[in-house]
Amino acid sequence: DTGVSQDPRHKITKRGQNVTFRCDPISEHNRLYWYRQTLGQGPEFLTYFQNEAQLEKSRLLSDRFSAERPKGSFSTLEIQRTEQGDSAMYLCASSTPRQEDAPRHRILTQYFGPGTRLTVL
Amino acid sequence: EDQVTQSPEALRLQEGESSSLNCSYTVSGLRGLFWYRQDPGKGPEFLFTLYSAGEEKEKERLKATLTKKESFLHITAPKPEDSATYLCAVQAGSGGSNYKLTFGKGTLLTVNP
Repeated sequence: DTGVSQDPRHKITKRGQNVTFRCDPISEHNRLYWYRQTLGQGPEFLTYFQNEAQLEKSRLLSDRFSAERPKGSFSTLEIQRTEQGDSAMYLCASSTPRQEDAPRHRILTQYFGPGTRLTVL
Repeated sequence: EDQVTQSPEALRLQEGESSSLNCSYTVSGLRGLFWYRQDPGKGPEFLFTLYSAGEEKEKERLKATLTKKESFLHITAPKPEDSATYLCAVQAGSGGSNYKLTFGKGTLLTVNP
């Protein structure tokens, strides 16, 4: 298995600019998650896709944030009009092999990518 | 609301000095408890999944155990390369949000040679 990949790994932007991040999940996984992690904290859930459907958005995800997963493959997370408080590590994870008889641990376990570090100046 | 508390926040050990990290949780209907390792500037790396009280998992110098209220990550004879932040997360089974992970803040482990 190739793992979850994210691009870019680092992004520095000025306040007010728009940024977009990409996540490529493990190819056999149909669930994809976005989390945000700030210094000294654990990751916090942002949003979740099952195939191409976005099934939940956290209250942390303001109107400036939008996520898509066209065709149920890769996903993008866009932040419009960035603010300094958006500076964080943005993590993508995937889970759940498509085959129905996958063992339980493979269904529940989320595998994370390397993250995109966003710095808003 | 699901809650996860990890202790201690930081732990410094000498190489070979065994110890345990604690993760206490409050959830409605536990589906799974997860341990991850995170190195600076990188994403969390999966270590273990535990499902029910009494379950234990082992991997090299690490052993994870689970009770109805908490989990322990035991580190036996640690080496400097075990230095990292160890994250605990739970996935609850009640209601619609039965897929997201709720994380603790982590324990920063430093193993000195």
